[in-house]
Amino acid sequence: GAVVSQHPSWVICKSGTSVKIECRSLDFQATTMFWYRQFPKQSLMLMATSNEGSKATYEQGVEKDKFLINHASLTLSTLTVTSAHPEDSSFYICSADVSGSTDTQYFGPGTRLTVL
Amino acid sequence: EDQVTQSPEALRLQEGESSSLNCSYTVSGLRGLFWYRQDPGKGPEFLFTLYSAGEEKEKERLKATLTKKESFLHITAPKPEDSATYLCAVQGSDSNSGYALNFGKGTSLLVTP
Repeated sequence: GAVVSQHPSWVICKSGTSVKIECRSLDFQATTMFWYRQFPKQSLMLMATSNEGSKATYEQGVEKDKFLINHASLTLSTLTVTSAHPEDSSFYICSADVSGSTDTQYFGPGTRLTVL
Repeated sequence: EDQVTQSPEALRLQEGESSSLNCSYTVSGLRGLFWYRQDPGKGPEFLFTLYSAGEEKEKERLKATLTKKESFLHITAPKPEDSATYLCAVQGSDSNSGYALNFGKGTSLLVTP
């Protein structure tokens, strides 16, 4: 149980294009989902907290107009990187916690974004 | 501000050589301390949640313990398949943060045959 999927697992795009990453909780409902970014040899840095049916809360320094987050249902959150640039190349990982249960977050497998 | 410091940054063990990883933390009201395992190019895999000082949890060759200031992940008789980066994270009791996790930088463990 508590499986989280992400799609795509990797994506290569040209500078200036937008990329959408999906995060799904497969066997549970998630009121809250989190988006993290991880650079090589670094730990996970929280980008934003996404609550179903409401606006995401962004961490300081994260541009909300560049990283659009939508959490339209209890099993799906999406992250759209708009007008991507090479410095946005990173490993993006989502997590979800089980609604009404423990606060343990279960992580997706991650999406490797490379912007040329 | 919550802080999580893990040591050592890297650890190399011979198969069967037991050791411990350390996670020191400061947090305003600990809601939970979490241990995850991360393999290269993958998302973190949940291992343990600890909630209060004195608590211990075990899973196969791993045992996690918690005090008011730090947590240890003990690895008994490790095998090469235990090689991974082990991440520690804390969750504060401030609900305004959505109970987000604050991660340490991790300990990269290599177990050689």
